[in-house]
Amino acid sequence: AQKVTQAQTEISVVEKEDVTLDCVYETRDTTYYLFWYKQPPSGELVFLIRRNSFDEQNEISGRYSWNFQKSTSSFNFTITASQVVDSAVYFCALIPPNSGYALNFGKGTSLLVTP
Amino acid sequence: DTAVSQTPKYLVTQMGNDKSIKCEQNLGHDTMYWYKQDSKKFLKIMFSYNNKELIINETVPNRFSPKSPDKAHLNLHINSLELGDSAVYFCASSQGLVSADTQYFGPGTRLTVL
Repeated sequence: AQKVTQAQTEISVVEKEDVTLDCVYETRDTTYYLFWYKQPPSGELVFLIRRNSFDEQNEISGRYSWNFQKSTSSFNFTITASQVVDSAVYFCALIPPNSGYALNFGKGTSLLVTP
Repeated sequence: DTAVSQTPKYLVTQMGNDKSIKCEQNLGHDTMYWYKQDSKKFLKIMFSYNNKELIINETVPNRFSPKSPDKAHLNLHINSLELGDSAVYFCASSQGLVSADTQYFGPGTRLTVL
């Protein structure tokens, strides 16, 4: 079975703090794809990153960074020096092969950044 | 310039009515999807189409019927609306089915059934 767990339901931080959002996935496939999406209060779903299972390199994009560790089946997301505009619900998702490529989403982590 | 658009953005209707939500993408993608986000924010796939052909049909009531007149459009028709259909419906598109390409989402349609 394919499953994504985001154990942190809600996180609250003060601006400029670093915050890490956890994502643990389950799959028996050796080829799979992982994603993060952001859903701000306005409601749209914004793509952040796509990673395939053969690429374990960590990625940094500005204040955002991702740590992919196959050994622990985790794909964690860190925001450095958080800002109020980072307040949103963040979803981790998995696409296994031969599934029609539907995103299997975790339940999301709601991040609140206060001034 | 909007890549994936949906109409309407809000839809309020009575139980038992029939309604449609339209989705269009101008990205030249071959695959389109419908997802449902419930009141707890959980997102779940409903359907996907590749070049007008149905690929995924998850366990959704027969009252939901997707229609793809061409590969740039995927509409969702819902018959005999029920209270439990209240949710946000997202359309998405991706390049194709060769690999798990990034899916780009529309702004969502908030459906409220009274």
